[in-house]
Amino acid sequence: EAEVAQSPRYKITEKSQAVAFWCDPISGHATLYWYRQILGQGPELLVQFQDESVVDDSQLPKDRFSAERLKGVDSTLKIQPAELGDSAMYLCASSSSVGLAGTNEQFFGPGTRLTVL
Amino acid sequence: AQKVTQAQTEISVVEKEDVTLDCVYETRDTTYYLFWYKQPPSGELVFLIRRNSFDEQNEISGRYSWNFQKSTSSFNFTITASQVVDSAVYFCALSGPNRDDKIIFGKGTRLHILP
Repeated sequence: EAEVAQSPRYKITEKSQAVAFWCDPISGHATLYWYRQILGQGPELLVQFQDESVVDDSQLPKDRFSAERLKGVDSTLKIQPAELGDSAMYLCASSSSVGLAGTNEQFFGPGTRLTVL
Repeated sequence: AQKVTQAQTEISVVEKEDVTLDCVYETRDTTYYLFWYKQPPSGELVFLIRRNSFDEQNEISGRYSWNFQKSTSSFNFTITASQVVDSAVYFCALSGPNRDDKIIFGKGTRLHILP
């Protein structure tokens, strides 16, 4: 069964260091999402790609966060420099742009749990 | 603005009891989609159900059932004869009418099923 892959699963870093997370969506899925989930909260969208283009990055803290999906397939989310408040689970999801309008079923990866010390 | 409220932060029930997780939503869209996701301790979000705003029929899938009431803007989730494996955090979510609209999640309800 096709799955969304993410790595690493866990990352511990010190404040002010740079970190990067990788996501490989389900093959053929044109839409890719990065969510941040703070402990005790629901996921919140950081950035959404349609192929290689950013569709929504309104909630991405652009002074320290960046995301790219250069070839429209896998994606990297970077934080530089990391701050204590960035400790969270970072979830990647993908969805297909074909099929019934509005179906919007997003498939989530296992997430990367980031701890900033 | 869209909003999802899950008033129950944490629920504990004894195995085999029925349990209902509440979800209330706010939206100005006339067409929208409602979802429930399960997040087990392993962390990944597991899709459970998607409901179109025009379809108010209740749905049953095995031990799971969903009650959608547009009049009260609620989309409640019931687990019948709960099992320990049902222990997880459950999220209710909402999206707009377009295929690529983002999903707005509630804060989740942590469900403990006690043996």
